[in-house]
Amino acid sequence: DSGVTQTPKHLITATGQRVTLRCSPRSGDLSVYWYQQSLDQGLQFLIHYYNGEERAKGNILERFSAQQFPDLHSELNLSSLELGDSALYFCASKAVFDYGYTFGSGTRLTVV
Amino acid sequence: DQQVKQNSPSLSVQEGRISILNCDYTNSMFDYFLWYKKYPAEGPTFLISISSIKDKNEDGRFTVFLNKSAKHLSLHIVPSQPGDSAVYFCAASEESGGSNYKLTFGKGTLLTVNP
Repeated sequence: DSGVTQTPKHLITATGQRVTLRCSPRSGDLSVYWYQQSLDQGLQFLIHYYNGEERAKGNILERFSAQQFPDLHSELNLSSLELGDSALYFCASKAVFDYGYTFGSGTRLTVV
Repeated sequence: DQQVKQNSPSLSVQEGRISILNCDYTNSMFDYFLWYKKYPAEGPTFLISISSIKDKNEDGRFTVFLNKSAKHLSLHIVPSQPGDSAVYFCAASEESGGSNYKLTFGKGTLLTVNP
């Protein structure tokens, strides 16, 4: 157990729908990162939050949004889902003076 | 534009031999490099890292080498074991620690160690 909790582990939904992925970071970690892993695409950075504030955006579609709440958990909202959004979505957290992330086990999203 | 490149999608080695995984980067501002290992249905886990002020870092069977002039790093696993079979991601950052820190990942190399 890495200490980073992602729910749900699996999600199957239809095109056009909206889903919310949830991430609880390790205790004390202020940074939360979201990554998407599609087939052959490696880990694509989506967005970074630090202590409730958005710090950086990567290749995140306008249909996707995220937020980090006062208790530091984060949610990634995916709307108007398309088949191509099927992927593994990873959340990671980091303590301020660490150099690496700790990843959760991911949410596998399947859009049918 | 991919700033971190792992040009070998897969690598197969025999148990007991050396595994060498390579990674190239284009951003000269990167100053910290990490390797992550990922098993199926699990998140990536940190393996080993190296700062740009060093050219080698060793941890047990794992050694990472950094050649800054060539913008190249490699991960050596000696001896390779079947349990090392996984996807290995190279990652780099251009800011050490701090609240704006972000890792850029390569696409990964699938290592298969055959018994």
